Amino acid sequence: NAGVTQTPKFRVLKTGQSMTLLCAQDMNHEYMYWYRQDPGMGLRLIHYSVGEGTTAKGEVPDGYNVSRLKKQNFLLGLESAAPSQTSVYFCASWTGLHGYTFGSGTRLTVV
Amino acid sequence: GQQLNQSPQSMFIQEGEDVSMNCTSSSIFNTWLWYKQDPGEGPVLLIALYKAGELTSNGRLTAQFGITRKDSFLNISASIPSDVGIYFCAGSQGAQKLVFGQGTRLTINP
Repeated sequence: NAGVTQTPKFRVLKTGQSMTLLCAQDMNHEYMYWYRQDPGMGLRLIHYSVGEGTTAKGEVPDGYNVSRLKKQNFLLGLESAAPSQTSVYFCASWTGLHGYTFGSGTRLTVV
Repeated sequence: GQQLNQSPQSMFIQEGEDVSMNCTSSSIFNTWLWYKQDPGEGPVLLIALYKAGELTSNGRLTAQFGITRKDSFLNISASIPSDVGIYFCAGSQGAQKLVFGQGTRLTINP
């Protein structure tokens, strides 16, 4: 039982490049989320999903797209990376009374 | 977007000291949660609070759900080096989504 797994753990992109971050959970959770963490800003919600085939915008969705084709996977895409998207990205799933289970994060640097 | 006001933003203490941090909001929350993030890892749940006035302990950690439902605090007694990290408060208003504080970065001098 791995919980929430994020890949890759680290990535360096050049401005304008695209990439996809993968989040996988094996707990059969319906709700999944993508957050970004920046110094002094806490965790800000990018997009979330309430079930397979659904997605919704969070607090800071611009520049990102998501897809939830399978219940266990939630993908975050950057179509044209910008330096402002340098951040640590966390995926999470909703456990119920105990809030979220988080992945270990993806550290992305855009140069 | 909505965020919780968490303070202090950082703390530098000596090993063995007690620590106190808190979160406040202008909105009412049904659930308060406290997470800890170790360097290079995702946040992990420490304590969950479900009822106004509730006081809950987890080892050396104690957290309380404020009576007004707009605040919560976390205390750590007799700090040890492994307490180093970032502590986040989070609140839920009933929907399956959390709002987070900005985090408190705890540094301990041995």
